[in-house]
Amino acid sequence: GQQVMQIPQYQHVQEGEDFTTYCNSSTTLSNIQWYKQRPGGHPVFLIQLVKSGEVKKQKRLTFQFGEAKKNSSLHITATQTTDVGTYFCAISSGNTGKLIFGQGTTLQVKP
Amino acid sequence: KAGVTQTPRYLIKTRGQQVTLSCSPISGHRSVSWYQQTPGQGLQFLFEYFSETQRNKGNFPGRFSGRQFSNSRSEMNVSTLELGDSALYLCASSSLRGGPSEQYFGPGTRLTVT
Repeated sequence: GQQVMQIPQYQHVQEGEDFTTYCNSSTTLSNIQWYKQRPGGHPVFLIQLVKSGEVKKQKRLTFQFGEAKKNSSLHITATQTTDVGTYFCAISSGNTGKLIFGQGTTLQVKP
Repeated sequence: KAGVTQTPRYLIKTRGQQVTLSCSPISGHRSVSWYQQTPGQGLQFLFEYFSETQRNKGNFPGRFSGRQFSNSRSEMNVSTLELGDSALYLCASSSLRGGPSEQYFGPGTRLTVT
């Protein structure tokens, strides 16, 4: 079945540094979604990308979908302590509610 | 709109017992999916229900089952509990109007099997 690999597994940064997490698939994806899960919380939807080469920004967060639609990245500029959590990419299976999640990248930010 | 609710929030069971977890989706959402989250395996898809029918199933043994009611509320059941079933069980709902869309997750049920 479809799989998506996410790296790195963990990232520790100093507040103010940038952070990037990557998701890669061996097959072409129809779309990719990103979620954030705070410690002790549940996943919260951030964004969905559907077009080849798509770039979307949400304040300090930049999301990219690769030209071949096989990879995606989430970049956070000038991290803050509020960015702490685990970031997941996820791919959907057709027009259904089934999501296949990457392993997640846990971000720790030192103040 | 009220968010996705799950009950109970915490549960402690003994090996061999069975458990039923409940999920109430956002009003108007017909798709309800269940996920198991563990430190070792991450977020794994269990099954999805849409209009009272199981539409997708993940790679879990038959001890894991679910159902959806006409009001879209869903339950999942785990029989003959094993220690490895200890996990956070998350339910998510989505409208799916116009294609794949964001899923709204509930707070989860933390199940501990002793």
